[in-house]
Amino acid sequence: AQKITQTQPGMFVQEKEAVTLDCTYDTSDQSYGLFWYKQPSSGEMIFLIYQGSYDEQNATEGRYSLNFQKARKSANLVISASQLGDSAMYFCAMSRGGADGLTFGKGTHLIIQP
Amino acid sequence: DAGVIQSPRHEVTEMGQEVTLRCKPISGHDYLFWYRQTMMRGLELLIYFNNNVPIDDSGMPEDRFSAKMPNASFSTLKIQPSEPRDSAVYFCASSFRVRETQYFGPGTRLLVL
Repeated sequence: AQKITQTQPGMFVQEKEAVTLDCTYDTSDQSYGLFWYKQPSSGEMIFLIYQGSYDEQNATEGRYSLNFQKARKSANLVISASQLGDSAMYFCAMSRGGADGLTFGKGTHLIIQP
Repeated sequence: DAGVIQSPRHEVTEMGQEVTLRCKPISGHDYLFWYRQTMMRGLELLIYFNNNVPIDDSGMPEDRFSAKMPNASFSTLKIQPSEPRDSAVYFCASSFRVRETQYFGPGTRLLVL
């Protein structure tokens, strides 16, 4: 069975600092995808970034990058130059190689302080 | 292009009543997923469809829950009869292909009294 672990229930970060949100996963599959979603207080789920298990380069999307360490089974999200609008819940999720849904971690509540 | 559309956005009902949640996926997406989010259990997959056919409903909590997808642009999740423990946010999501990014709707916040 798959499992996603996010060990940081909450984080406080000063504005403009870089943030690393931890995510480790457990799977016996060779082919899988890793995703990060943002959920602001308004409740919607916003896709941020995707990393495939066979991708050799770390994924980047604007201020977001994914630090993918396959041997360690970790997929940490890095947010550069944090902004007040980054305050939200962040969820790490995994899909399998087949047509399955996503398995989510418990999330990290990130608060950016001015 | 419009994103995933869900209705209603909020639903308050009394225990025992039937509840129907609706979802319109992004046009052209072949996969549709229903998720439920609660404080206790987090986000969990209930059921998903491929080309309107249910593929895996193992996450549906019990027989009170049912889901249909009569065509490529519409799906429903029905709870009958509803119970207070069904109170949650229900998300619909869609994706173009296998392992592609899933795009979520705004969710339906359900409160069963």
